[in-house]
Amino acid sequence: ELKVEQNPLFLSMQEGKNYTIYCNYSTTSDRLYWYRQDPGKSLESLFVLLSNGAVKQEGRLMASLDTKARLSTLHITAAVHDLSATYFCAVDIAGTYKYIFGTGTRLKVLA
Amino acid sequence: EPEVTQTPSHQVTQMGQEVILRCVPISNHLYFYWYRQILGQKVEFLVSFYNNEISEKSEIFDDQFSVERPDGSNFTLKIRSTKLEDSAMYFCASKKIREDGYTFGSGTRLTVV
Repeated sequence: ELKVEQNPLFLSMQEGKNYTIYCNYSTTSDRLYWYRQDPGKSLESLFVLLSNGAVKQEGRLMASLDTKARLSTLHITAAVHDLSATYFCAVDIAGTYKYIFGTGTRLKVLA
Repeated sequence: EPEVTQTPSHQVTQMGQEVILRCVPISNHLYFYWYRQILGQKVEFLVSFYNNEISEKSEIFDDQFSVERPDGSNFTLKIRSTKLEDSAMYFCASKKIREDGYTFGSGTRLTVV
């Protein structure tokens, strides 16, 4: 069964701290995406990772992809309250037109 | 910045009734999708649409569901006979090329009573 698992599911952290969210997947894929969702809102595209070793950075967030390990990470540097949201990874299933979304990580940054 | 527009934002319907959820994707996008999310939980793939036909559908997308792109701009999801478990947030998404990330619409909250 295809699985996309995120770890942790819930994360409460202090402002200024660093942390990493992990996304493991069980299928062959060269493409992985990260999205952010604020409560009651839609999903916003954060990063598109299209190859092994890809690394993208935007502000305090950095995403990377290791297709051999079937692992992507979303690293948060010096967290601020505005980063509080749910973060989803999504895996593009090779040979199909669909993504499978991860379980989501609900991040709460405490002031 | 171009947006994916969904209407209505909230729909309440009686069990067994038909509903149509509407989406206007970004005009130069070629790939269209419906996803749903139950109570802020996992985002579930329903169907993808490319070149005026369904390219992929999930096991959720049974005979009660259908999609149409009737006029080259709108993209609709119809549920023929709604069930209580169809209550969810339904998101339309589109993209220009396969490698892009999705642009999601703001969603339609469907409540089946």
